[in-house]
Amino acid sequence: DTAVSQTPKYLVTQMGNDKSIKCEQNLGHDTMYWYKQDSKKFLKIMFSYNNKELIINETVPNRFSPKSPDKAHLNLHINSLELGDSAVYFCASSLLGQPQHFGDGTRLSIL
Amino acid sequence: DQQVKQNSPSLSVQEGRISILNCDYTNSMFDYFLWYKKYPAEGPTFLISISSIKDKNEDGRFTVFLNKSAKHLSLHIVPSQPGDSAVYFCAASGGVQGAQKLVFGQGTRLTINP
Repeated sequence: DTAVSQTPKYLVTQMGNDKSIKCEQNLGHDTMYWYKQDSKKFLKIMFSYNNKELIINETVPNRFSPKSPDKAHLNLHINSLELGDSAVYFCASSLLGQPQHFGDGTRLSIL
Repeated sequence: DQQVKQNSPSLSVQEGRISILNCDYTNSMFDYFLWYKKYPAEGPTFLISISSIKDKNEDGRFTVFLNKSAKHLSLHIVPSQPGDSAVYFCAASGGVQGAQKLVFGQGTRLTINP
């Protein structure tokens, strides 16, 4: 069983579209995260939720909106996609203060 | 500003020898450090961590050393095995947002040659 699963694995779409990436964890963790890995391979945190409450919100355009319906899910919705949004997006989860467990990533390509 | 740096983008080591991966940081508020391993098309996998109250942590073939005065940490893998070939990321956390905000280095690609 996959511990942190993201869907879809690949997402190819046109500039200007709106898309969502879903993340689910079955580890019983209370904290979930979204990271972006850019073309230079840097992994940078975007958001973190603890018990459905937003605790980290980095300098991310407000076109990106995370939503946590419950502790096991953290989705990422992106409006008006731009070329610079092309990247690999990783979801992660942890117990507060413990090492984070990552999903396998969603590769987003904007045409 | 890059607070966590891995200055070697790649490293090649012979099987059976020791692999040493290095990481430097600039933020003195960091108090928890981790190493992650990443295979292609997979997410990073947690390998080993160290708190700033320690200078060494060992787990099987993996040892992490922390030199706080130099703001430097290293990961030693001995003996190196072909399955260790992967990209290794150093990460650090601490300060106001605590352990939740990990800051990653840009990774070092390790290749173990038979």
